[in-house]
Amino acid sequence: SQQGEEDPQALSIQEGENATMNCSYKTSINNLQWYRQNSGRGLVHLILIRSNEREKHSGRLRVTLDTSKKSSSLLITASRAADTASYFCATDGDTGTASKLTFGTGTRLQVTL
Amino acid sequence: DAGITQSPRHKVTETGTPVTLRCHQTENHRYMYWYRQDPGHGLRLIHYSYGVKDTDKGEVSDGYSVSRSKTEDFLLTLESATSSQTSVYFCAISGPPYAPETQYFGPGTRLLVL
Repeated sequence: SQQGEEDPQALSIQEGENATMNCSYKTSINNLQWYRQNSGRGLVHLILIRSNEREKHSGRLRVTLDTSKKSSSLLITASRAADTASYFCATDGDTGTASKLTFGTGTRLQVTL
Repeated sequence: DAGITQSPRHKVTETGTPVTLRCHQTENHRYMYWYRQDPGHGLRLIHYSYGVKDTDKGEVSDGYSVSRSKTEDFLLTLESATSSQTSVYFCAISGPPYAPETQYFGPGTRLLVL
């Protein structure tokens, strides 16, 4: 079963604008991560936020986590054409040492010049 | 890129034939994972390994088996391929020196079962 559902499924913006993607999940988590996937490539880790954190920043990325609503958002500020990709949230709720991630269905971001 | 390679990168096979995909890593990471990616489903975990000869099932393990006889190689086998196994398969690793929860992915193998 899919843990994370992302919204919107697709997003088209112009360069310089901000992009916001949302992720909802169903069960309790240890952490939530965001990954980027360029067309035809593997996923690349962007940022991790733990269940006891509410907000985290990394460069132009800002992630928020609301465990009461079981939701997270990823904000990319001042988007660039190179940000064009699919973005996935992934949750890790397992207590074991292996990181068994459950991925959402992704948001396709198109940044145009 | 965490030194992960996958082979083959593309494969076309027929229903009922066995297929083995290979994931190779060069940095002695303890944990290795196999995912499949399908439109509308994101990535789903097939199997994972937490050490040599130590493996466990993921969310969609039916029809797949894995083996890890040495640290650097994690093999995914489709004993008798079906059209529903047409997908893009990704290998991933985690563990030191990287943050334990973070996974690093290989470039993927595109499999078409006719």
